Amino acid sequence: SQQGEEDPQALSIQEGENATMNCSYKTSINNLQWYRQNSGRGLVHLILIRSNEREKHSGRLRVTLDTSKKSSSLLITASRAADTASYFCATVPSNQAGTALIFGKGTTLSVSS
Amino acid sequence: EAQVTQNPRYLITVTGKKLTVTCSQNMNHEYMSWYRQDPGLGLRQIYYSMNVEVTDKGDVPEGYKVSRKEKRNFPLILESPSPNQTSLYFCASSLSVTYEQYFGPGTRLTVT
Repeated sequence: SQQGEEDPQALSIQEGENATMNCSYKTSINNLQWYRQNSGRGLVHLILIRSNEREKHSGRLRVTLDTSKKSSSLLITASRAADTASYFCATVPSNQAGTALIFGKGTTLSVSS
Repeated sequence: EAQVTQNPRYLITVTGKKLTVTCSQNMNHEYMSWYRQDPGLGLRQIYYSMNVEVTDKGDVPEGYKVSRKEKRNFPLILESPSPNQTSLYFCASSLSVTYEQYFGPGTRLTVT
């Protein structure tokens, strides 16, 4: 069951530019999480935002959550070549009794120097 | 160092030959899960476990088995692998599903 859908599927930017990725989901959620995956490697947790939060920051990352629109965005400011990776949103649906984390298909970010 | 380990990292096998992919975590996490990642399909959950001796199916459990006899270990068993199980597999653990997940490095499985 696909819950989150990221947009765009792929994004290419220059170093120093900002990168914005969006995630839409279908059902009410407990929280929404963003992960990064470098090519073929394990996923790394970036940030978690709860359903009662609207915005969260962590270093160069800014995440917003709009539960009325069932959407979230991840902003990476001042991108670096090392930010090149795939980014996934994952949701914990509130109606699944805390058993499932459902991932979207991801946005592939390429940052060139 | 807090980590999730998986073995083997790479495996090429033939149809029907039983195999086990091990997963171990050293963080005393109660929640563990297995995902497979396929191009264009993203990550899909295979099985999860909320605690010792408690396991349940995820979205794509067919052809897989799991067990959770100890808190730290959560092996994935393919009793009779088929080519459609060729994929990249990840194990993950956390305090619960509502917390951040810690992922293993992945196991790339090819079934011929």
